[in-house]
Amino acid sequence: EADIYQTPRYLVIGTGKKITLECSQTMGHDKMYWYQQDPGMELHLIHYSYGVNSTEKGDLSSESTVSRIRTEHFPLTLESARPSHTSQYLCASSDPGLDTGELFFGEGSRLTVL
Amino acid sequence: GQNIDQPTEMTATEGAIVQINCTYQTSGFNGLFWYQQHAGEAPTFLSYNVLDGLEEKGRFSSFLSRSKGYSYLLLKELQMKDSASYLCAVMDSNYQLIWGAGTKLIIKP
Repeated sequence: EADIYQTPRYLVIGTGKKITLECSQTMGHDKMYWYQQDPGMELHLIHYSYGVNSTEKGDLSSESTVSRIRTEHFPLTLESARPSHTSQYLCASSDPGLDTGELFFGEGSRLTVL
Repeated sequence: GQNIDQPTEMTATEGAIVQINCTYQTSGFNGLFWYQQHAGEAPTFLSYNVLDGLEEKGRFSSFLSRSKGYSYLLLKELQMKDSASYLCAVMDSNYQLIWGAGTKLIIKP
């Protein structure tokens, strides 16, 4: 099993609140990603990182920010949550040394904004 | 624009064979992936194709034709636990993954 963890798994929060979704991996992977996924829809890349102090915006930055101060930790922050942010957020990591470049996903954080 | 197409839903019978198709139009190609995602869970890696042809891994096989922009995932001896969504994803010239919306596979006894 992949060693990548997300907290919280489920969160219900009011509009305007600031939230941080945590993601940690113990595999020493340099590349990490945040995806947003709605039911029956494709994954949308929000942010990604090539390593410490590297962060890039994806196709769907969704008014969120990320940081990468340590290799193993890649938190996602929403400064002011809105109902449109209601979704499943998936964190993933990959090892560039693997030929397949497969992604290892966390279990996801399901966010509901009221 | 970049696009991945796969059927929304398919139904098959336990013990049978099913083929899930994926067509793609992307700016460049650096490999095609299939992932399995059970409801409420994270996607898990199934296969990777970068050259034309068939890759077999147990009950699952994946085929790629780069000239046709086409791939399929073949599942044999279907089991109830194979009920899941199957996601096709292509890595483009910038090494970014473009994802399809997934095919929900329903297995009936």
